[in-house]
Amino acid sequence: DAGVTQSPTHLIKTRGQHVTLRCSPISGHKSVSWYQQVLGQGPQFIFQYYEKEERGRGNFPDRFSARQFPNYSSELNVNALLLGDSALYLCASSPGLAGGETQYFGPGTRLLVL
Amino acid sequence: RKEVEQDPGPFNVPEGATVAFNCTYSNSASQSFFWYRQDCRKEPKLLMSVYSSGNEDGRFTAQLNRASQYISLLIRDSKLSDSATYLCVVNFASGGSYIPTFGRGTSLIVHP
Repeated sequence: DAGVTQSPTHLIKTRGQHVTLRCSPISGHKSVSWYQQVLGQGPQFIFQYYEKEERGRGNFPDRFSARQFPNYSSELNVNALLLGDSALYLCASSPGLAGGETQYFGPGTRLLVL
Repeated sequence: RKEVEQDPGPFNVPEGATVAFNCTYSNSASQSFFWYRQDCRKEPKLLMSVYSSGNEDGRFTAQLNRASQYISLLIRDSKLSDSATYLCVVNFASGGSYIPTFGRGTSLIVHP
């Protein structure tokens, strides 16, 4: 079975631009979460979606938005990019919403903002 | 103060050594706890969940102390392949859902 997939793998943008990152969860998983990981830090929670609805949001500005599609894939959008948005963006899927469920991470998208 | 704190290390140990990591959390509305392993430039992968009664998986033992608000990971008989960053995760209850909060990770280097 395919794991969580993300695209693109790498991306270079300039300040002020916007970016769309994509994630496909493991087949049968209905929950997708997005994380930002900067060098030397642990992943920081951005959003969680379940059944196409936002179910959790971390402490990120409104420039960050996301959505989940009927096939449970998801997009993360970041507008008005700042240098500080340079990071590894990770997507994780889980079967449902239970707090005790394991999250399975994709390989991430490395975003560099110049 | 961060909600989940870990000593970043690095912990530099010889093969065969026993090493322990702690992770403290500040929010008592915590639901569940995990240890993840992250290799350099790779995604995090689940190592083990942490239960109140403690749990063991081969050379790895995880424990939870709710009263003192910390979780621990013990690795026995360290292997070179154990070299990685170990991330603790605490899921905090929030508005009917939960917020997964990662520590910054503890770096382990196992040398011959």
